[in-house]
Amino acid sequence: EAGVTQSPTHLIKTRGQQATLRCSPISGHTSVYWYQQALGLGLQFLLWYDEGEERNRGNFPPRFSGRQFPNYSSELNVNALELEDSALYLCASSRNWGSGGNTIYFGEGSWLTVV
Amino acid sequence: DQQVKQNSPSLSVQEGRISILNCDYTNSMFDYFLWYKKYPAEGPTFLISISSIKDKNEDGRFTVFLNKSAKHLSLHIVPSQPGDSAVYFCAALDFNKFYFGSGTKLNVKP
Repeated sequence: EAGVTQSPTHLIKTRGQQATLRCSPISGHTSVYWYQQALGLGLQFLLWYDEGEERNRGNFPPRFSGRQFPNYSSELNVNALELEDSALYLCASSRNWGSGGNTIYFGEGSWLTVV
Repeated sequence: DQQVKQNSPSLSVQEGRISILNCDYTNSMFDYFLWYKKYPAEGPTFLISISSIKDKNEDGRFTVFLNKSAKHLSLHIVPSQPGDSAVYFCAALDFNKFYFGSGTKLNVKP
């Protein structure tokens, strides 16, 4: 069974540009989570999508947004990039809570560097 | 508001000895707890979990203990191996929202 896959692995953008990161969950998983890990920091919750809907978001500005597609894949968009957005962006997936979705599985992450 | 805390940023242990990683939480509504292991430049890997109705769960060298009255959980690794050197995150679940600690970097010395 394929795990959570993320693309691109690395992305370099300049300040003010937009970045788009993509995630494919494990087959059968309907929930997708996005986390940011800045250098030396822990995992900061960004967004949670389930069944195509945004269910919750963390304490990040509106320029961080995303969506979930009918096939449950997801993309994270970061607009008006700032230098401090440079981080590892991790996607995770789980089954729906009602189906025993009490464990999330992470992808390898996408490194975003803003210069 | 840090609902899950790992107060030790780092831990160093000799190979073969026990590693004990600690985690405290504040929200009594958490009903499921997980530990993840993360190597540099990789995504976190699920290690072990425990439901709030249990106080211990064991999987090979890894055992997680939960003390609900103290709102404390710990991960024991016995015996520790150099390959265990990584950052360990504890996480707590409150209805599909996962809260992570800031991580503890474990260094197992040969």
